[in-house]
This record gives sequence, C-alpha cells and structure tokens, in this order.
Amino acid sequence: DIQMTQSPSSLSASVGDRVTITCRASQSIRSYLNWYQQKPGKAPNLLIYAASSLQSGVPSRFSGSGSGTDFTLTISSLQPEDFATYYCQQSYSTPYTFGRGTKLEIK
Amino acid sequence: QVQLVQSGSELKKPGASVKVSCKASGNTFNSYAMNWVRQAPGQGLEWMGWINTNTGNPTYAQDFTGRFVFSLDTSVSTAYLQISSLEAEDTAVYYCARVGLVVDARGYYYYMDVWGKGTTVTVSS
Repeated sequence: DIQMTQSPSSLSASVGDRVTITCRASQSIRSYLNWYQQKPGKAPNLLIYAASSLQSGVPSRFSGSGSGTDFTLTISSLQPEDFATYYCQQSYSTPYTFGRGTKLEIK
Repeated sequence: QVQLVQSGSELKKPGASVKVSCKASGNTFNSYAMNWVRQAPGQGLEWMGWINTNTGNPTYAQDFTGRFVFSLDTSVSTAYLQISSLEAEDTAVYYCARVGLVVDARGYYYYMDVWGKGTTVTVSS
C-alpha cells in the first residue's frame, strides 16, 4: 500500500496568514492527489483534485501543487472558516490511502 | 441538487450485524462508483473500498475484507454497507462518497466530490 505522510500534524495560525501543508507519498503517485477539509462533526469536503485542480465552489485562496511524491496545499490568506482538519489522499492505486491529517487551529 | 442521504445512527451488540444505506438523488448514482470511508472516534479517514455502480463489482481495502460487504439496489439508487460479527473496534462514523472522475491527457483522476453526512455505528454490550 502507498503510505501518505502529512506534516505538520497540527498547526497554529492567525487570520490572514499564509499556510502551507505538505503531503509526501511513499512512492511516486504522479498527480493523483486530492485534498479534503473536514470540520468537527461534518463530512469531509473536496478542495483540490489531481494535485492542483480547484474543485468548483472552493475559494481561490486554496491552491495545490506538486507531483511525484511531494505535494503542498496552500491557503493564501486564512479566513476564520478555514480552521479545520485537512487530509490528503492518493488516487494512484487502491487502496486509496489518506494521510493522517493536519489540524489547523487558531493562534 | 446532488445529495447522498445516509441511514441513521445504530447501536449494536458485539457479534451482531448492521446494514448502512446511502441513497443518491439527482444523477449521483450514475457516477463511476461509490466509496465507503470509515472514521473511528478522534481518528483520521480510512478508505474502505468502493463499488462500481454500473457493474456492481466491489473493491475492498485489505483491512475490510471478510466481514464487510458493499452492495447496490439500483432501482432505488441506494448503496449499502453491511458489517457482520461486529466488534467494539468497528465503532465509527461510516461515510459514503461519490466517485468523481476527470479524464485528461495525463490520465484518469478519481476523487470524492459528494459525501453523505455519515452514519454512526456504536458497538457496545
């Protein structure tokens, strides 16, 4: 199975900050990488697919980059509603494994 | 509006079985497949597998073989997850999620773009 490693596991930031979350795959997954946001008690929400494609309806302050084994999710200017947990997921080969998540908290 | 409506919370005793449903509205059921994702209390997301909504062919992650069964009833646009011989470790929220697919020159890109709200299954004596 492909292992997905996210860092950091938690992060404190302030409204307006630029934040970057990284995700590393245990082998090359080309651009088969998705990012999800999950708020407490809610289902995950797709932000980015195919490493860098913004899902319809997602604010443009979210962006994704990377290919091969190293990927990043960037939030250009944090808004209060962005404090949540973020997961990466590979869709290169089954099982489509998730990272363990990055919890983004208010500083 | 595309929606996945899941069945309500379940409280089961160890050794019992449970069947979770996921009813699709709109054109949701005409997507390639339906995923199932588990989230244990306070933990991250686990991909359990998916079922092809055209062929009914399921694919299970290794940790979810044997006691877990995915099925469909296309006449009512509903996917099901059945878990047998329940254990305390099966206590979790179970989500269904539609597979979205984009095909371009680079390949076939799968993602989960529509999610149910989740069904909480609690296993306790």
